[in-house]
Amino acid sequence: LAKTTQPISMDSYEGQEVNITCSHNNIATNDYITWYQQFPSQGPRFIIQGYKTKVTNEVASLFIPADRKSSTLSLPRVSLSDTAVYYCLVENTGFQKLVFGTGTRLLVSP
Amino acid sequence: DGGITQSPKYLFRKEGQNVTLSCEQNLNHDAMYWYRQDPGQGLRLIYYSQIVNDFQKGDIAEGYSVSREKKESFPLTVTSAQKNPTAFYLCASTNQGLAAKNTGELFFGEGSRLTVL
Repeated sequence: LAKTTQPISMDSYEGQEVNITCSHNNIATNDYITWYQQFPSQGPRFIIQGYKTKVTNEVASLFIPADRKSSTLSLPRVSLSDTAVYYCLVENTGFQKLVFGTGTRLLVSP
Repeated sequence: DGGITQSPKYLFRKEGQNVTLSCEQNLNHDAMYWYRQDPGQGLRLIYYSQIVNDFQKGDIAEGYSVSREKKESFPLTVTSAQKNPTAFYLCASTNQGLAAKNTGELFFGEGSRLTVL
């Protein structure tokens, strides 16, 4: 299983771009990288998933370098409602033990 | 609408009692998971199941038990052997089955908060 490492916390202001990096040095060929967002007393929800290069959807972008040993979640123009914990998860096709890391607590201030 | 339903939302238990947390999904997902979350901490994996009648221990299985008799149901029993059961419990499912060729996103329930009195 690929272990993930993220910063414990980050601070930002409304309107700024936030980049959260996740390290996964022993990622395997069949592993995908997925990011989740969690608000207090709720279950995490899916944000974005990628395998390599760049993936973009309506809420975020995910940058994965060629060696895939890290990934960066980019949140453009954050708002107060983006204050949450963000988890990076490495998922393997067909292998089911999905273990979350400690996550990054993002605080967005006015 | 499809989703995952956990019940009860809040549960109080006296020391020495077993309690069972319910998790039901109508997403036709093969894989289901139970996680525990303590205040200010991340999610820790208790048990997971890839298919009916089969399940595996996660990282903190001691003091917990599960069953998977039906595809849509994955109940978690917190036994009296669990010394510190007060926590937020989350159930999740994904269509990332044994034969899956792609990863699927995890869908979570709204959680059950267990408090030991």
